[in-house]
Amino acid sequence: EPEVTQTPSHQVTQMGQEVILRCVPISNHLYFYWYRQILGQKVEFLVSFYNNEISEKSEIFDDQFSVERPDGSNFTLKIRSTKLEDSAMYFCASNRDGLSGNTIYFGEGSWLTVV
Amino acid sequence: GENVEQHPSTLSVQEGDSAVIKCTYSDSASNYFPWYKQELGKRPQLIIDIRSNVGEKKDQRIAVTLNKTAKHFSLHITETQPEDSAVYFCAASRGNTGFQKLVFGTGTRLLVSP
Repeated sequence: EPEVTQTPSHQVTQMGQEVILRCVPISNHLYFYWYRQILGQKVEFLVSFYNNEISEKSEIFDDQFSVERPDGSNFTLKIRSTKLEDSAMYFCASNRDGLSGNTIYFGEGSWLTVV
Repeated sequence: GENVEQHPSTLSVQEGDSAVIKCTYSDSASNYFPWYKQELGKRPQLIIDIRSNVGEKKDQRIAVTLNKTAKHFSLHITETQPEDSAVYFCAASRGNTGFQKLVFGTGTRLLVSP
């Protein structure tokens, strides 16, 4: 079964540093997402991306965050200047189209620890 | 925006018992309701989903029911097994805007004791 892959699986960074989390969505998928899960809490929507632009973003996704699809396969989340509260598991997800009920597949996650 | 409430936050059952987890949603335009199982440190994995034009769906020991009028949906697990122990999240979305934004509930930690 095709999978969404993410790298790195775990990253430790100092506060104020820039971090880039990478994702390779499933190859025939068109809609891409980033979600975040702080330890012990629910999964929260960050941003959706379609046709090389952001479709929607949440209040969490402020100016410190950006997303990019630099080539035909990768989808990245950049945090410009990390804060302690950015420590969380970041999940990339994708689905084939936006129709209701189209299964969203999640990657294994990138665990970010800001110290 | 959409808000999804989930209860209970923890649920302990004996192996073989049934488990029921309930969610309510606020946005009447939501039309897709998946349930995810998440083991510690792992990705959420879809276990069952239901669309708003269906009232009930079953897959072996797992079933989901949807009451659109009351805006609530429930996960039912029968004949629970220790490997069912995990955190379960409900979610809601409306996919008619060209993409799906899942709004998750707060999760239920299910513990099945042998």
